Amino acid sequence: AQSVTQPDIHITVSEGASLELRCNYSYGATPYLFWYVQSPGQGLQLLLKYFSGDTLVQGIKGFEAEFKRSQSSFNLRKPSVHWSDAAEYFCAEGGGADGLTFGKGTHLIIQP
Amino acid sequence: NAGVTQTPKFQVLKTGQSMTLQCAQDMNHEYMSWYRQDPGMGLRLIHYSVGAGITDQGEVPNGYNVSRSTTEDFPLRLLSAAPSQTSVYFCASRLATRTDTQYFGPGTRLTVL
Repeated sequence: AQSVTQPDIHITVSEGASLELRCNYSYGATPYLFWYVQSPGQGLQLLLKYFSGDTLVQGIKGFEAEFKRSQSSFNLRKPSVHWSDAAEYFCAEGGGADGLTFGKGTHLIIQP
Repeated sequence: NAGVTQTPKFQVLKTGQSMTLQCAQDMNHEYMSWYRQDPGMGLRLIHYSVGAGITDQGEVPNGYNVSRSTTEDFPLRLLSAAPSQTSVYFCASRLATRTDTQYFGPGTRLTVL
């Protein structure tokens, strides 16, 4: 069965600093990879997705992610974070016929 | 478009009670699904449907029933609520294929006493 690992439960970043959230997947075939963001008390919003083509994917809100097959990784990056980026971030894989397999999430804290 | 809507937003049940969480989408999506979110666990798939009349189990289906009589609606039924079912429940839908964006509803926070 596929699995998604987000190694960092919490990450604290200063406002204006760069951000990288890690995600590793295990899936034998071509993975379908997603990053979602969840603000407190809200549903999930898609930031970006990858399933083929250019391995550097641009998303909304200034986020990007890079697919690296050799490392089974799909890390999310942002060059300069804003206080409004504080949220829970979920990596997910959707290569199976059923639904998405989610990582356990990374809680992002922004320091002023 | 309203997108994916869920009712109620909050619910408190006593152990053994039954209830139905409602989910509807107005985007003519074929695929709909239910997830539960627990602290430190991410989201886990309960049931899903690839079209009207077709449902299947996800990772954590026990204690839940679903049906899909129309394209728009995908209710989740708790037959006999247990404290272990205290969670936040999210409904989601996508057009059809795995590359389509999956849209999530705002969630239902359920507490079982």
